[in-house]
Amino acid sequence: KQEVTQIPAALSVPEGENLVLNCSFTDSAIYNLQWFRQDPGKGLTSLLLIQSSQREQTSGRLNASLDKSSGRSTLYIAASQPGDSATYLCAVDAGNMLTFGGGTRLMVKP
Amino acid sequence: DAGVIQSPRHEVTEMGQEVTLRCKPISGHNSLFWYRQTMMRGLELLIYFNNNVPIDDSGMPEDRFSAKMPNASFSTLKIQPSEPRDSAVYFCASSLEGGYYGYTFGSGTRLTVV
Repeated sequence: KQEVTQIPAALSVPEGENLVLNCSFTDSAIYNLQWFRQDPGKGLTSLLLIQSSQREQTSGRLNASLDKSSGRSTLYIAASQPGDSATYLCAVDAGNMLTFGGGTRLMVKP
Repeated sequence: DAGVIQSPRHEVTEMGQEVTLRCKPISGHNSLFWYRQTMMRGLELLIYFNNNVPIDDSGMPEDRFSAKMPNASFSTLKIQPSEPRDSAVYFCASSLEGGYYGYTFGSGTRLTVV
């Protein structure tokens, strides 16, 4: 059974810092990995999708990498802003089924 | 496209009542998923459909839960009778080609059973 772990569970940083969120998964036989953002009381917004044949994806200040062999993904956020404050969820697709990590709750202080 | 549409956004009901949650997937997507989110257990897959056919319902907690997808543009998740422990946020998601292009989630239905 696929298990997904996100570290740290919570993170508080001053505005402007570059930061890295970590995601690890136990079964490397995945189709893709997707990072989501969730604001309090809201739904899930897709940030980046990395397909199994890819090593990384970039969107604006966000960069996600994938290392299937080691079962790891990282989400890099450059020059963090207070508007980045949210919970970030990593989800692994092993075939028509997303397994989610517990999330990293990020707070960026002005 | 308006994305995945769920209704209602909020539902408060009394224990023992029937609750029906609704979902309209993105047009053209052939897979639909129901997830439940709680503080204790995070996001859990309840059931998913492919081409309107239920494929895996192993996540459905018990017989009180049922889901249907009568056509490609509509799905329901029903809880009968509801219990306080069913209180959670229920998300619907849809995808194309088995998730190859990723998954799109709706805004969720926050269910409170009192």
